[in-house]
Amino acid sequence: AQSVAQPEDQVNVAEGNPLTVKCTYSVSGNPYLFWYVQYPNRGLQFLLKYITGDNLVKGSYGFEAEFNKSQTSFHLKKPSALVSDSALYFCAVRLEWGSARQLTFGSGTQLTVLP
Amino acid sequence: GAGVSQSPSNKVTEKGKDVELRCDPISGHTALYWYRQSLGQGLEFLIYFQGNSAPDKSGLPSDRFSAERTGGSVSTLTIQRTQQEDSAVYLCASSAAGGESSYEQYFGPGTRLTVT
Repeated sequence: AQSVAQPEDQVNVAEGNPLTVKCTYSVSGNPYLFWYVQYPNRGLQFLLKYITGDNLVKGSYGFEAEFNKSQTSFHLKKPSALVSDSALYFCAVRLEWGSARQLTFGSGTQLTVLP
Repeated sequence: GAGVSQSPSNKVTEKGKDVELRCDPISGHTALYWYRQSLGQGLEFLIYFQGNSAPDKSGLPSDRFSAERTGGSVSTLTIQRTQQEDSAVYLCASSAAGGESSYEQYFGPGTRLTVT
């Protein structure tokens, strides 16, 4: 079975400071990893993905994430946070192979960027 | 272009009644997913359709839940004899058939179901 852990329910950061939202995963095999963002009363919006290749992936709105196989982590980062980045962030995983294409999500991390 | 749409956006129903939730995927997307988002359980996978293949129903929580996809496009999630624990936001997503873009799932705004 596959699982995702987001150890922090809440992350607060001052505007202009770097931000990190943590994610670790557990799968039997090679993972495909994703970050989604959810604004209030909205669906999930895709931010970025790791499939293969370069461990550092860049996504929408200046976000990036680093795949670390030895630590089974896929932390989301941004060099300079904006107030508008405040939202609920979800990390997700699916297996590379097999017919199971559905995503397994973490519990979510509420990011608050303080002005 | 148009994204994934879902209707209704909100649904309040009485315990024991049946409800139908609708999802219109992005045109041309062959894969369609239903997820449920609730306070206690987070985001849970329910069911997955891919083209004409038999759906993956492994996430449906009980036999009161069913879904169909007509003509490879629109999908309807039906919950029979609703219970209060069914109260949640039901999210639909779709993805392309192949290539790297097939890994990205695009979500609709969800249907908020409240069972009273």
